[in-house]
Amino acid sequence: AQTVTQSQPEMSVQEAETVTLSCTYDTSESDYYLFWYKQPPSRQMILVIRQEAYKQQNATENRFSVNFQKAAKSFSLKISDSQLGDAAMYFCAYTYGTSYGKLTFGQGTILTVHP
Amino acid sequence: AAGVIQSPRHLIKEKRETATLKCYPIPRHDTVYWYQQGPGQDPQFLISFYEKMQSDKGSIPDRFSAQQFSDYHSELNMSSLELGDSALYFCASSLALNTEAFFGQGTRLTVV
Repeated sequence: AQTVTQSQPEMSVQEAETVTLSCTYDTSESDYYLFWYKQPPSRQMILVIRQEAYKQQNATENRFSVNFQKAAKSFSLKISDSQLGDAAMYFCAYTYGTSYGKLTFGQGTILTVHP
Repeated sequence: AAGVIQSPRHLIKEKRETATLKCYPIPRHDTVYWYQQGPGQDPQFLISFYEKMQSDKGSIPDRFSAQQFSDYHSELNMSSLELGDSALYFCASSLALNTEAFFGQGTRLTVV
């Protein structure tokens, strides 16, 4: 069974600084996809970034980037120039095969941004 | 841009009652996913539909059933409600199975 583990229940960062959220996963599949979702207090699930396992290049979306280490099954999220609006719960998620929306989520990391 | 619409946004039911949650996918999306997120928990996949047929099943209790209609909207029916069913229920939709899924804002169900 596929599992996703986020070992940091809470993280904090000063505004304008950089923070890295960790995620590890376990799978025997070779073709899979990894995601980071943001869940602000509104509880809306918002896709932040995604990574296809077959791609060696790390995904980047503006201030958000990932460090994808396939051999180590590690998928961390780096947020640069943190903003107050980045404060939220962040979930790492995994899917494989042909059903992209069938996601296995990690336990989540609460990110606090201090002004 | 149109998003996934879920109704109602909030629902309060008593134990042993029945609840029906509705999900209206993004126009042209033919795939719907349902998730349950308990308090302080990560979302758990319940069930999905593609082109009005069940495509996958997760940890959905036997007391729950769901279907996707001809207009692609989906309904999650929950019977004999228990206190433990209190959760945020998300619906997500995608254009086919192998594309990114977009989440609705969720329905918060409280069972008292």
